[in-house]
Amino acid sequence: EVHLVESGGALVQPGRSLRLSCAASGFTFDDYAMHWVRQAPVKGLEWVSGINWNGGRVAYADSAKGRFTISRDNAKNSLYLQMSSLRPEDTALYYCVRGLIEVSGMIDYWGQGTLVTVSS
Amino acid sequence: QSVLTQPPSVSAAPGQKVTISCSGSSSNIGNNYVSWYQQLPGTAPKFLIYDNDKRPSGIPARFSGSKSGTSATLGITGLQTGDEADYYCGTWDSSLSAWVFGGGTKLTVL
Repeated sequence: EVHLVESGGALVQPGRSLRLSCAASGFTFDDYAMHWVRQAPVKGLEWVSGINWNGGRVAYADSAKGRFTISRDNAKNSLYLQMSSLRPEDTALYYCVRGLIEVSGMIDYWGQGTLVTVSS
Repeated sequence: QSVLTQPPSVSAAPGQKVTISCSGSSSNIGNNYVSWYQQLPGTAPKFLIYDNDKRPSGIPARFSGSKSGTSATLGITGLQTGDEADYYCGTWDSSLSAWVFGGGTKLTVL
């Protein structure tokens, strides 16, 4: 069974940094692309970033470019999102999501999310 | 404002059928596969349809997907109260080099 467990969410002040992690299990991690998708309170889904199976290709939403960095450690079956210069509008539940090999491939399984709150 | 356009809400009675539309452009729906996700209240999204019209194992045949040109449609037959949820379409946008989602449609089973 596919299992994705996010961690690292917290209350942080604007301008600060935060690193999210996702521990994956139940599948061969390095066969799949991985993504971060967020959902602000009472809002819809917003794709943040994706990384292909070997980390050779990454993609970011315009809202994340220059501030967020996605990475993965296939030896540890883990996905990361380093977020810097955080803004109040980054407040959201951040989901770790599995994708199909390449960043453009279909997205299927979702974790339960980790909450990031940016406020002074 | 979402790249993909969905109606904010739809409703129907138990046992009836409902369709949810998702409109895009040639850079997303027109040239890429569409997926659909169901988000029950207070839970994470769940994979419902992939590659426009395929159902993952465990998804009932009551759920169906289709695509024509730059639009996609999710159909749900035999509506149940347990189907009340938010539904999202999503696909890759080749021009943006980004995944895009619709704004979501709230289904109410009256």
